[in-house]
Amino acid sequence: GAVVSQHPSRVICKSGTSVKIECRSLDFQATTMFWYRQFPKQSLMLMATSNEGSKATYEQGVEKDKFLINHASLTLSTLTVTSAHPEDSSFYICSATSSGGGRGEQFFGPGTRLTVL
Amino acid sequence: RKEVEQDPGPFNVPEGATVAFNCTYSNSASQSFFWYRQDCRKEPKLLMSVYSSGNEDGRFTAQLNRASQYISLLIRDSKLSDSATYLCVVIVGSTLGRLYFGRGTQLTVWP
Repeated sequence: GAVVSQHPSRVICKSGTSVKIECRSLDFQATTMFWYRQFPKQSLMLMATSNEGSKATYEQGVEKDKFLINHASLTLSTLTVTSAHPEDSSFYICSATSSGGGRGEQFFGPGTRLTVL
Repeated sequence: RKEVEQDPGPFNVPEGATVAFNCTYSNSASQSFFWYRQDCRKEPKLLMSVYSSGNEDGRFTAQLNRASQYISLLIRDSKLSDSATYLCVVIVGSTLGRLYFGRGTQLTVWP
């Protein structure tokens, strides 16, 4: 299947700093990328949907000024957690789908574990 | 009401056992259905799609009941390597649309 990478895999930062997470589709062009957050023992919760070259669509309750998403190319989307706080500590996962993904399959990155001290 | 409801378990079964997971979805406009598998601290990976006629992949059988808005996954002859969390996933509308995840059912297979 298609490969999606995320970087970094783990980050620990101080409260108040900003953290950027990259999501790359390595062997296909991702027309749409999705950003999820997963707290321990909880389901993946969609944060936003990102289409290349346009503004991201955020889910209700997700602050777009705090979670900045940029999808500048068909292979790269970035999520920046601005002024991170301990409650932002979570597992952030991106997924990507291509226009040829007729089965609706999304390919997930390995996730980024964020810990805010 | 959540889009997708699953029994979180945990299910603890011996090797060789047969185990079944159930899932219900609330939106009748749901078009596509999947089971994903997630290992601890890893990303979800597609296990199988679920079709109206039911489908089987080796030891795994998935079924869909649109009238009851109910999806099931049956695992036969459980292996230790089947231990994971199984996520019921639904797409409402376009197949390129957003995924709705259940919270997952945790399975532990013991020797």
